[in-house]
Amino acid sequence: DIQMTQSPSSLSASVGDRVTIICRASQGIRNALGWYQQKPGKAPKRLIYAASTLQSGVPSRFSGSGSGTEFTLTISSLQPEDFATYYCLQYTSYPLTFGQGTRLEIK
Amino acid sequence: EVQLVESGGDLVQPGGSLRLSCAASGFTLSDHDMDWVRQAPGKGLEWVGRTRNKTRSYSTEYAASVKGRFSISRDESKNSLYLQMNGLKTEDTAVYYCIRGINDWGQGTLVTVSS
Repeated sequence: DIQMTQSPSSLSASVGDRVTIICRASQGIRNALGWYQQKPGKAPKRLIYAASTLQSGVPSRFSGSGSGTEFTLTISSLQPEDFATYYCLQYTSYPLTFGQGTRLEIK
Repeated sequence: EVQLVESGGDLVQPGGSLRLSCAASGFTLSDHDMDWVRQAPGKGLEWVGRTRNKTRSYSTEYAASVKGRFSISRDESKNSLYLQMNGLKTEDTAVYYCIRGINDWGQGTLVTVSS
């Protein structure tokens, strides 16, 4: 199984900050990676697929990059509605595997 | 508009069975791969399994933790997806989501396994 390791597991930041979340795969997954945002009590929402393609309707302050084993999700200028938990997901092979999540909190 | 509505979650005893349903609308179910993902209370996301689209014969894949106990099926006439869960364990307690193309998610249904 491919293990996905996210860092940090939690992060405190302020509105307007630039933040980066990293996801590392235990083996190469090409660009078969998505990023999801989940707010309390809600279903996750996909932000990015194919490592760097922005989902339709997602604000351009979100961006993704990487290929192979290291990937990043960057939020260029945090907005109040961005405080949530973020997960990466690899979908290159079964079982599909998620990172453990990064909880983004208001400083 | 794509809509996925899960139902069937309940309190069940260990060793019991439950069938979850996912009613799909706004698209043709047979054209899409469909997944189940679960989330234990206060925990992260765990992929449960997949049924591929009609072109790929609705073949299935499962996580090791549920293989042999859970099975995914469809009823195209009802545009519905199902997750049959047998031999339930306390560690199966979670919100279960059905998902289209690892993009469109339902709201989830809660399964609690407890005596």
